Amino acid sequence: EAGVAQSPRYKIIEKRQSVAFWCNPISGHATLYWYQQILGQGPKLLIQFQNNGVVDDSQLPKDRFSAERLKGVDSTLKIQPAKLEDSAVYLCASRPGGSWSDTIYFGEGSWLTVV
Amino acid sequence: GNSVTQMEGPVTLSEEAFLTINCTYTATGYPSLFWYVQYPGEGLQLLLKATKADDKGSNKGFEATYRKETTSFHLEKGSVQVSDSAVYFCALTITGFQKLVFGTGTRLLVSP
Repeated sequence: EAGVAQSPRYKIIEKRQSVAFWCNPISGHATLYWYQQILGQGPKLLIQFQNNGVVDDSQLPKDRFSAERLKGVDSTLKIQPAKLEDSAVYLCASRPGGSWSDTIYFGEGSWLTVV
Repeated sequence: GNSVTQMEGPVTLSEEAFLTINCTYTATGYPSLFWYVQYPGEGLQLLLKATKADDKGSNKGFEATYRKETTSFHLEKGSVQVSDSAVYFCALTITGFQKLVFGTGTRLLVSP
């Protein structure tokens, strides 16, 4: 079974520029997450989708971050304009969605450096 | 609120030593508990989980027991290897919610 795919793996941009990350979850997984992991910290949830609807975006900085999951499959996370403090690993994850105790599977992450 | 507290690292051990990484939690409902591992340059991988009190999760020689009375889920391994060097994250989900809440992670360094 293919895992959660993310791209690009690495990105370096200047502050005030924009960047977009793409995620393809495991086939059939209804729930998709974007987490932000700053160096030395645990991952923090940015947004959660159930199919193509947003379940939780309470910690998404909406003035600069946006995310969409058209057709309930792939997802894109965008940052515009980027700030230095956005340097982090952006982790996409998915789960089947059938039970609250189902395992959440993570991709390898997209590493962002803002200079 | 819901939160996870882990012991600070790094934890430095020699090969074949016994490992314990402490994890305690605070939860408003009935949590499921998880340990995830992150190897250098890689994403998070589920190591083990337990969904109710007194359950023991185990995988690859690692174990953790869900202790409701002490709100703990300590990770243990009897004999660590160099290949176990990684960052270990304790996490929880709450009934009715589907998101993971993570601790800050504990780095394990195992030397030959």
